[in-house]
Amino acid sequence: EVQLVESGGGLVKPGGSLRLSCAASGFTFSSYTMNWVRQAPGKGLEWVSSISRGSNHKYYAESVKDRFTISRDNSKNSLYLQMNSLRAEDTAVYYCTRDRLLDLWGQGTLVTVSS
Amino acid sequence: DIQMTQSPSSLSASVGDRVSITCQASQDIANYLNWYQQKPGKAPKLLIFDASNLEPGVPSRFSGSESGTHFTFTISSLQPEDIATYYCQQYANLPYTFGQGTKLEIK
Repeated sequence: EVQLVESGGGLVKPGGSLRLSCAASGFTFSSYTMNWVRQAPGKGLEWVSSISRGSNHKYYAESVKDRFTISRDNSKNSLYLQMNSLRAEDTAVYYCTRDRLLDLWGQGTLVTVSS
Repeated sequence: DIQMTQSPSSLSASVGDRVSITCQASQDIANYLNWYQQKPGKAPKLLIFDASNLEPGVPSRFSGSESGTHFTFTISSLQPEDIATYYCQQYANLPYTFGQGTKLEIK
């Protein structure tokens, strides 16, 4: 089955760190650009970051630049998001998505930043 | 950044109605526009890509069109299972940006 499964979310204090993971299956992971998109509670969708197939190119939203780091391990069919210096406004469901088309989404993992 | 102005923000219609949602891009994005459906508690689902192409498996009552920087999403005959929030999204340039969403309800 073609799917993406996120993990690693949870409750963290402001200033803390968290690492999200996304496990891909059912397709050739290394052939696709991958992305993270988030959705704050009751709000719309916000693109967070993208990484090219070979990890040569990484892009970030201004709101997370210098705090978040996207990476991937094609040998493990996995995508990651290292989140540092977390703020209350980073509270959201984080989705792993495939390709420029965002044609495949995981179920999401909730990150809550609160003291 | 490219701004995507989506309207209306909410819409109430009856089963069988024709429903349309529009999205205006702040600059030329060619046809690099997607439409997504999101049901409560679920991840968004891609319905239409490249402005007018139906994703495989998506019912044909869904369609999309474009006119310059103006994009329209249409449901030809609203069904109860279409109750959801719909988003447009451009992928012409990074950062990818989304419309604000349209919450569709049944009258």
